[in-house]
Amino acid sequence: DAKTTQPNSMESNEEEPVHLPCNHSTISGTDYIHWYRQLPSQGPEYVIHGLTSNVNNRMASLAIAEDRKSSTLILHRATLRDAAVYYCILRVNYGGATNKLIFGTGTLLAVQP
Amino acid sequence: DVKVTQSSRYLVKRTGEKVFLECVQDMDHENMFWYRQDPGLGLRLIYFSYDVKMKEKGDIPEGYSVSREKKERFSLILESASTNQTSMYLCASSPPGPRSPLHFGNGTRLTVT
Repeated sequence: DAKTTQPNSMESNEEEPVHLPCNHSTISGTDYIHWYRQLPSQGPEYVIHGLTSNVNNRMASLAIAEDRKSSTLILHRATLRDAAVYYCILRVNYGGATNKLIFGTGTLLAVQP
Repeated sequence: DVKVTQSSRYLVKRTGEKVFLECVQDMDHENMFWYRQDPGLGLRLIYFSYDVKMKEKGDIPEGYSVSREKKERFSLILESASTNQTSMYLCASSPPGPRSPLHFGNGTRLTVT
């Protein structure tokens, strides 16, 4: 199964950009890159996903390397509410109706005021 | 908004008891998942289901079974609870396809004494 590697923790200051890296060197051509975050005492929530091109939404941007072996989640202006564990996941497509997400241990982001 | 509801937020059971964890989603999603989350180990997939009465083992199915008699409901069963099954259990649902995000419930914290 495809795996991802993320730093255990990162720190940022409020209102500064944050770049959260992820390595996925064993990614295959049909795997989508998903990012989720988990706030304290809550289930994970979806942030963004992509396949090959960079993606933007209201929460964040996703920059995907040309060889797809790494990606970076970008929070443009960190707020205290962005303090969470961020998971980079490959959504493996086995074809048909089945596919599954394999989570790692994520990056704990601390945001300082 | 998609809602995934887990029947209990906290549960305390004794060793050897049969335990049912219930999960209901309101968006007619085909896929449903059960994960457990432990410190230092991240989220690990126990079972998933891609249709009514269909199920597949995840990475750690031992000691668990599942039931999906209706599309909206996915139950996790611990036939004989053990202390090493003390954990946070998270249910999720999604439409089919690798681009579809997972929607998580807020989890059930199970303690087996």
